[in-house]
Amino acid sequence: SQTIHQWPATLVQPVGSPLSLECTVEGTSNPNLYWYRQAAGRGLQLLFYSIGIDQISSEVPQNLSASRPQDRQFILSSKKLLLSDSGFYLCAWTAGGPGDTQYFGPGTRLTVL
Amino acid sequence: AQKITQTQPGMFVQEKEAVTLDCTYDTSDPSYGLFWYKQPSSGEMIFLIYQGSYDQQNATEGRYSLNFQKARKSANLVISASQLGDSAMYFCAIHWITGGGNKLTFGTGTQLKVEL
Repeated sequence: SQTIHQWPATLVQPVGSPLSLECTVEGTSNPNLYWYRQAAGRGLQLLFYSIGIDQISSEVPQNLSASRPQDRQFILSSKKLLLSDSGFYLCAWTAGGPGDTQYFGPGTRLTVL
Repeated sequence: AQKITQTQPGMFVQEKEAVTLDCTYDTSDPSYGLFWYKQPSSGEMIFLIYQGSYDQQNATEGRYSLNFQKARKSANLVISASQLGDSAMYFCAIHWITGGGNKLTFGTGTQLKVEL
């Protein structure tokens, strides 16, 4: 069966520091991968999605970037964090067919101080 | 562009009663899908139920059912026999395909509280 992992689970970082969040999927190949951010008490905002290695689309211009170094690994990065980057970051995967369900990881709670 | 609206920021229901969570959507695409997710306080998004725009029958999954009214562009979630463990945030989302990627647009959510 498929499993999706995210780490770290929680992170507290100072403003201006770099960021690297990792997402890994097991039990499937060539998944579509997604990064979402959820601000406190709000819905999910799609940040990036990837349909394959080196195929990454950005939804919202910001100081974040994404990379997919391996088929089942998706990385969210920042060179310099802002206070507004605080939130709950969720990774999701899907097999990519029409109507395919997106399955989410446990999330990373990021606090920028 | 796709849009999802959840007008109930919070709902209360008594244990063992049924509750309906509202969701309306707007899309110009003839083919789309609608999802409901549950987010407990732990934060993880849990998939509950899916309805395709061409599905003739309303989707059901255990105690969850989807009241899909295509002409009214609504996809309300019905939870029967509510349990204390159903207390959580519930999100409606619309699925669409663009540029090779399957994407979801989420509503703002409804906080459900189940009471004894």
